[in-house]
Amino acid sequence: EIVMTQSPATLSVSPGERATLSCRASQSVSSNLAWYQQKPGQAPRLLIYGASTRATGIPARFSGSGSGTEFTLTISGLQSEDFAVYYCQQYHNWPPYTFGQGTKVEIK
Amino acid sequence: QVQLVESGGGVVQPGRSLRLSCVGSGFTFSCCAMHWVRQAPGKGLEWVAVIYYDGSNEYYADSVKGRFTISRDNSKNTLYLQMNSLRAEDTAVYYCARVLTMGWFDPWGQGTLVTVSS
Repeated sequence: EIVMTQSPATLSVSPGERATLSCRASQSVSSNLAWYQQKPGQAPRLLIYGASTRATGIPARFSGSGSGTEFTLTISGLQSEDFAVYYCQQYHNWPPYTFGQGTKVEIK
Repeated sequence: QVQLVESGGGVVQPGRSLRLSCVGSGFTFSCCAMHWVRQAPGKGLEWVAVIYYDGSNEYYADSVKGRFTISRDNSKNTLYLQMNSLRAEDTAVYYCARVLTMGWFDPWGQGTLVTVSS
């Protein structure tokens, strides 16, 4: 099973600033990585797939990078609606599909 | 628009059974693999099971293998999760999700809460 580890657990950022979230895989997942955003009481929403491709309707301030075992989600110019929990997920080697434990982006 | 709607959650005693449903609309339901993913209260996401587009294959997380069964009825655009021998640790919001091509989940349903408690 591929273990996904996200850091930090919580990130405090001021509106308008940049947030950088990390995700590490226990073995290479190539570019088979997705990022999701989840707000309280809501289902997760796909942001990024293929490590760097934005899903339909996702603003350009969200960008993904990385391959192999190290990945980054960058949110440039944080807006109020971006404060949420973010999860990475690998789909390179399954079953099982595995998620990171999440990074909470909170208002500083 | 593409939509998934789950139902069937509720409060159930340990050892009992429950069946969840997920109805898809706005897309050709038979096109795609379908998954169940769960989230325990205050916790992260845990993949539960997948069924291929035609029902030919199923895979499960070790935590539910032998107790849960995923199935689908493409004529009714409906995905199911039969949950037997439920345990307290199965308490979670259960989401259904579509996988269109590779392995990313999009979209997700709104979720249905299952509470296992005596």
